[in-house]
Amino acid sequence: DTGVSQNPRHKITKRGQNVTFRCDPISEHNRLYWYRQTLGQGPEFLTYFQNEAQLEKSRLLSDRFSAERPKGSFSTLEIQRTEQGDSAMYLCASSSQSNYGYTFGSGTRLTVV
Amino acid sequence: RKEVEQDPGPFNVPEGATVAFNCTYSNSASQSFFWYRQDCRKEPKLLMSVYSSGNEDGRFTAQLNRASQYISLLIRDSKLSDSATYLCVANTGGFKTIFGAGTRLFVKA
Repeated sequence: DTGVSQNPRHKITKRGQNVTFRCDPISEHNRLYWYRQTLGQGPEFLTYFQNEAQLEKSRLLSDRFSAERPKGSFSTLEIQRTEQGDSAMYLCASSSQSNYGYTFGSGTRLTVV
Repeated sequence: RKEVEQDPGPFNVPEGATVAFNCTYSNSASQSFFWYRQDCRKEPKLLMSVYSSGNEDGRFTAQLNRASQYISLLIRDSKLSDSATYLCVANTGGFKTIFGAGTRLFVKA
């Protein structure tokens, strides 16, 4: 499968715990994006990498969120001290150029209880 | 005001009908535009890009009006399998891609 892969598919965690998600983009794509989507809303931008450089981070993202893409390949998104408001679908996408459409992964659905 | 606004619907249409969705964007610097399709509890999938000259892909036609900052999607001869949420997207270059909240479509037999 040469698409965007995300793990895990589902995560249930207790409030206050840390969670980490992984994204493996399409191998030839140098751009990687993280989005968050809640019910009835479109995907909301979180952060963007071009190769290993994190070029932008949404102002909506608190300090509890951090993302890395250490070798310009896979990326991880960590949420520390999770809150119930963090419950959402976390989507990773990749693209080869900025004006091309994105290919999304299947997402990680986070539930904070 | 949201940067990309769509009528949330839902649109309920019979099979074979023609249905049109509209979308407006607020950032005049937006450079590229797309429509995505999202099935329930699935990831968004690129349906088509939208060009100023208008473009067609089978039963789907997309139009862009830069002067009015308006994008449309027309679906002809609707199929049951077209039932989904359609997301309008505007990109101002680089990472800044803004998704609308989506328009829900239900096609009924």
